[in-house]
Amino acid sequence: DADVTQTPRNRITKTGKRIMLECSQTKGHDRMYWYRQDPGLGLRLIYYSFDVKDINKGEISDGYSVSRQAQAKFSLSLESAIPNQTALYFCATSTPNYGYTFGSGTRLTVV
Amino acid sequence: GEDVEQSLFLSVREGDSSVINCTYTDSSSTYLYWYKQEPGAGLQLLTYIFSNMDMKQDQRLTVLLNKKDKHLSLRIADTQTGDSAIYFCADPGSNTDKLIFGTGTRLQVFP
Repeated sequence: DADVTQTPRNRITKTGKRIMLECSQTKGHDRMYWYRQDPGLGLRLIYYSFDVKDINKGEISDGYSVSRQAQAKFSLSLESAIPNQTALYFCATSTPNYGYTFGSGTRLTVV
Repeated sequence: GEDVEQSLFLSVREGDSSVINCTYTDSSSTYLYWYKQEPGAGLQLLTYIFSNMDMKQDQRLTVLLNKKDKHLSLRIADTQTGDSAIYFCADPGSNTDKLIFGTGTRLQVFP
């Protein structure tokens, strides 16, 4: 099994719908992150969490919310999806001063 | 804020060397990272360099760090078609809590 698992791998949804992307990890890391990837823009941080009780906004948090249900689970929600949220979303985990471990990504298309 | 910049594309012939460049603004990082993203996959840590080093070599990979110019480069010797991917430079800056990624450089290797 992968260290960081994202579900679903692909999703097409309609404008205005609520959607949740899920992430679970077996690394035992406290720190978890959600990034989105757009062509030519690299990865941009949406939210991050250092433990179950800690949630922090990243550079592009508007239109998104997160929930850290357990050390191993960190979900990302789009309350009302819009087309410009079409992107590739990555979950990642880390420990201090150690490289990140990424999931395989969720490709989200909002039509 | 912190900024990390890369050129978007690089095309090389198989067997030649590839050099991917990155500039960053925050010079307080302890480490700087290179990640590789293969098609349809998440990011994988390729290599990293301590900020007190000028160079690090790892098999076909050579990382050069010029702290004065805030310039990081990744050289891939004897580039193979399997090296075709997107390469991301990443800098945690003074805040080791989260990585700032460059835009990514898409390396295309042709026969």
